[in-house]
Amino acid sequence: QQQVKQSPQSLIVQKGGISIINCAYENTAFDYFPWYQQFPGKGPALLIAIRPDVSEKKEGRFTISFNKSAKQFSLHIMDSQPGDSATYFCAASWDGTASKLTFGTGTRLQVTL
Amino acid sequence: DGGITQSPKYLFRKEGQNVTLSCEQNLNHDAMYWYRQDPGQGLRLIYYSQIVNDFQKGDIAEGYSVSREKKESFPLTVTSAQKNPTAFYLCASQGLSSGNTIYFGEGSWLTVV
Repeated sequence: QQQVKQSPQSLIVQKGGISIINCAYENTAFDYFPWYQQFPGKGPALLIAIRPDVSEKKEGRFTISFNKSAKQFSLHIMDSQPGDSATYFCAASWDGTASKLTFGTGTRLQVTL
Repeated sequence: DGGITQSPKYLFRKEGQNVTLSCEQNLNHDAMYWYRQDPGQGLRLIYYSQIVNDFQKGDIAEGYSVSREKKESFPLTVTSAQKNPTAFYLCASQGLSSGNTIYFGEGSWLTVV
């Protein structure tokens, strides 16, 4: 049972454009929604995260938009750069000392010149 | 430097052999995790441990075993019972000081030849 659905599977964006990746979740108990960035051959690294008490969180060029009623959240990368080319994973978990993350299947982003 | 160290980075195994992947962390984190990543797929949880001498099965535990004798160490053994062991294995940890943030190691590539 896939509890976090991510789309698109791959994305090509021109330099300077906006990259948008979407995720939908099923478990209403989830209350922590991070995005991870992974470069080839490396482990994922936390990019930005949000809790459902806010509808948007921005850190630099990266923004998470959250829609609790629709059970959806998305990552927006403004002014996309070639260095942003990576695989992005959304995830979700519920609060706890050792909460487990449920990951989406990933989006491979390529930013072209 | 604080972090998670996985070794070896690359490992080749003959069919029928058991292999052990090492994971060490010096972040003083209580929880540790093992994930498996296959091309084009998300991260799937194999095992996790919240405290020393205790661990739980994740979503795909069959064919794997773990131990947690020390807080900083969480080795994963891929047994001959694992039908498709070729994958990228990621170790992660999480602590009270990091909240819900899960930190990943650099990963280990296992190839069965």
